[in-house]
Amino acid sequence: GAVVSQHPSRVICKSGTSVKIECRSLDFQATTMFWYRQFPKQSLMLMATSNEGSKATYEQGVEKDKFLINHASLTLSTLTVTSAHPEDSSFYICSARRGGGQPQHFGDGTRLSIL
Amino acid sequence: GQQLNQSPQSMFIQEGEDVSMNCTSSSIFNTWLWYKQDPGEGPVLLIALYKAGELTSNGRLTAQFGITRKDSFLNISASIPSDVGIYFCAGIRTSYDKVIFGPGTSLSVIP
Repeated sequence: GAVVSQHPSRVICKSGTSVKIECRSLDFQATTMFWYRQFPKQSLMLMATSNEGSKATYEQGVEKDKFLINHASLTLSTLTVTSAHPEDSSFYICSARRGGGQPQHFGDGTRLSIL
Repeated sequence: GQQLNQSPQSMFIQEGEDVSMNCTSSSIFNTWLWYKQDPGEGPVLLIALYKAGELTSNGRLTAQFGITRKDSFLNISASIPSDVGIYFCAGIRTSYDKVIFGPGTSLSVIP
């Protein structure tokens, strides 16, 4: 199998709070993890690509100081939304893959709601 | 940049009917993937295709990697209510490229 666990599944918090989302590959080592954002009825929008032990590569228009990514091990990547505001409310999904050219396997997503 | 187009954008079918959807691109891809996403959940991989012309089945699902390497289709036979969801195609150009996702096809099954 290829199981990816994402936690928490839902977060509701006040504006200005920083929120950390974890993504774990449970039964395989992931050389690369990805973070996506998805708005209702839209496709997945890639935010950043994260390789273990190195800095994340952010897509154009994604603020690296706003969305901090840490990929400390082959099974764990974290996304921290710093000083979140209502416009950051969205569905955030991580994915992981074993190696280049391999399919990505997705977590179940985190619904972030900023009040 | 690279883009994938999916058609149809949405479809409503009767339970028991067969479904066909496709994905096209102006660029060549070396891997084609099909995912299904249920509301409020992450996408789940249905089928992965690695070779031009490859035809692969997973239960009632069948997908093909187009000969030109610029398209792929997914068929679902004898649809059931739990087939409802959004189906995304995705392509990988080379081993070191990120996955490119299509806009999705929304499937509704009428019991």
